[in-house]
Amino acid sequence: GEDVEQSLFLSVREGDSSVINCTYTDSSSTYLYWYKQEPGAGLQLLTYIFSNMDMKQDQRLTVLLNKKDKHLSLRIADTQTGDSAIYFCAENRGGGFKTIFGAGTRLFVKA
Amino acid sequence: GAVVSQHPSRVICKSGTSVKIECRSLDFQATTMFWYRQFPKQSLMLMATSNEGSKATYEQGVEKDKFLINHASLTLSTLTVTSAHPEDSSFYICSARDRGEVAQQYFGPGTRLTVT
Repeated sequence: GEDVEQSLFLSVREGDSSVINCTYTDSSSTYLYWYKQEPGAGLQLLTYIFSNMDMKQDQRLTVLLNKKDKHLSLRIADTQTGDSAIYFCAENRGGGFKTIFGAGTRLFVKA
Repeated sequence: GAVVSQHPSRVICKSGTSVKIECRSLDFQATTMFWYRQFPKQSLMLMATSNEGSKATYEQGVEKDKFLINHASLTLSTLTVTSAHPEDSSFYICSARDRGEVAQQYFGPGTRLTVT
């Protein structure tokens, strides 16, 4: 189908790891992204991964890409209350001209 | 880092009036800008892609006569919602692509439009 799919909700305890999963559709997508959106705000790019990579780590964030299964995940280590937000998975299609977003995963972090 | 601004951040207008939203790339040249619409608790829906100096490309189902997009310079794109109706109330977000980069889009903070 056309959609980028994500689970809609995730709740974790402060200090635990969070794993947000996403499946995308276009095997020719060159870049895959994770964005964060806090209430009433725009989108903040957290990280992105090029399609020829399997993994990318950036401080507390780890992105894993399974290109065969078109599966992308974002792991947040030592999750903090400030990480509570909506996390969007996105893929670049059409030679990089279109970015298609998933519905977003709402992360709740309990103190 | 690259910054994209939007103005206004919030606007309330009456039904039947038009409202213009500006999107500016502050420290880079944006050959391509994108306009998204976000409904409450939903994802971003791409409305149109605009390239500097040419007509915007609208996504299927988006009325080009209702949502007028102008990308007159490398740092400014505008979205005008014409003859606004309450169902046009939404969060509108623009993004811009630096001409030197392929990977990234830089997003504006969004504009909350309320039509009464």
